[in-house]
Amino acid sequence: NAGVMQNPRHLVRRRGQEARLRCSPMKGHSHVYWYRQLPEEGLKFMVYLQKENIIDESGMPKERFSAEFPKEGPSILRIQQVVRGDSAAYFCASSPPGQGTTGNEKLFFGSGTQLSVL
Amino acid sequence: KNQVEQSPQSLIILEGKNCTLQCNYTVSPFSNLRWYKQDTGRGPVSLTIMTFSENTKSNGRYTATLDADTKQSSLHITASQLSDSASYICVVSATAGTALIFGKGTTLSVSS
Repeated sequence: NAGVMQNPRHLVRRRGQEARLRCSPMKGHSHVYWYRQLPEEGLKFMVYLQKENIIDESGMPKERFSAEFPKEGPSILRIQQVVRGDSAAYFCASSPPGQGTTGNEKLFFGSGTQLSVL
Repeated sequence: KNQVEQSPQSLIILEGKNCTLQCNYTVSPFSNLRWYKQDTGRGPVSLTIMTFSENTKSNGRYTATLDADTKQSSLHITASQLSDSASYICVVSATAGTALIFGKGTTLSVSS
């Protein structure tokens, strides 16, 4: 009964390269959320997706960042042309279907991907 | 501005002692308040979720309280254990779904 799986755990990129972060939700979960945690800061919401749909991307930077959750396979958070300021821990969370967006849905978090930009 | 403030920033206690962590919020409109435990290098794990009408909720040795009038919450840990060493994060939901506002957390260290 695997939880939310994120890979890689650690990712090192040079400025200008692309970073791809993967998230496989818990079995049976159809909602995925991405959060970013800067050092000494709280987690900040980035994007909320359901299968093949972006529901809320109000926390995503306007440029260089994109996310998808295809019908098959994991959710991908993609950062193009990374800069040093993108260095952070990126967490994915999932929730079961049927809870919708009541605000009471219980989120299950992965262990995160630590992105370091040199 | 929606904000969640936690205190203290860090805390050191002896094994077996009790402690209380504080959370003040200015989030509106309020939907629910959650406490998470985050071990170093891991993702947050939910401890409690409380809605407007709930004043207290327990999960084992963890007891959370909520005063929606003063917009304050506390997390009380009883008979602390070494494994309680972690960051404890207060999270407030402003509206339905995705508007979770995270505090910066309180880092608790339990020593023997």
